[in-house]
Amino acid sequence: GAGVSQSPSNKVTEKGKDVELRCDPISGHTALYWYRQRLGQGLEFLIYFQGNSAPDKSGLPSDRFSAERTGESVSTLTIQRTQQEDSAVYLCASNSGHNEQFFGPGTRLTVL
Amino acid sequence: ILNVEQSPQSLHVQEGDSTNFTCSFPSSNFYALHWYRWETAKSPEALFVMTLNGDEKKKGRISATLNTKEGYSYLYIKGSQPEDSATYLCAFSNAGGTSYGKLTFGQGTILTVHP
Repeated sequence: GAGVSQSPSNKVTEKGKDVELRCDPISGHTALYWYRQRLGQGLEFLIYFQGNSAPDKSGLPSDRFSAERTGESVSTLTIQRTQQEDSAVYLCASNSGHNEQFFGPGTRLTVL
Repeated sequence: ILNVEQSPQSLHVQEGDSTNFTCSFPSSNFYALHWYRWETAKSPEALFVMTLNGDEKKKGRISATLNTKEGYSYLYIKGSQPEDSATYLCAFSNAGGTSYGKLTFGQGTILTVHP
């Protein structure tokens, strides 16, 4: 498939555990974004990658959140010591340099 | 802080009805306005990207208009079908800054079309 993929599709974890979410963007797309949607709220920006660098991390809600990208391809979003307020759908998107962003199907994270 | 507002929050219509939603956004430093359609457990699907004041775009029964001077966009669905049921998202990107393409989303309009 040529689309953006994310894994896992669903993740249930206990409060305090660490989780890692993965995004495989469309091949050749240099820009990659992470967003999340918590229940009852709109999609909110988390972090932007251009290549392997992250010029904008302004949306990361706390220092428990970190992300990296390697090989100008796969990105992982890591949440340490998860809290219940981290429960959300986490979406990844990539962009070829034109206006349109292509989204993955998301990871639904539930923190018990 | 950039605010993107969508109305209504939710809408129930009967099959065959035509409907429209509104998105308002900051008119300064405008770059592009995006409409997405998002069905549960699927990827948000891009409907339109509009950049020019007065833009009108159409895809099948769905169309959109853009007014960048006053900061609003309308999405129209003609002859709604049950398969149109989804959340419709509006997103704004502004010019300049270090975050090329970063989108600021509204909360979405949830459309339910009843057969």
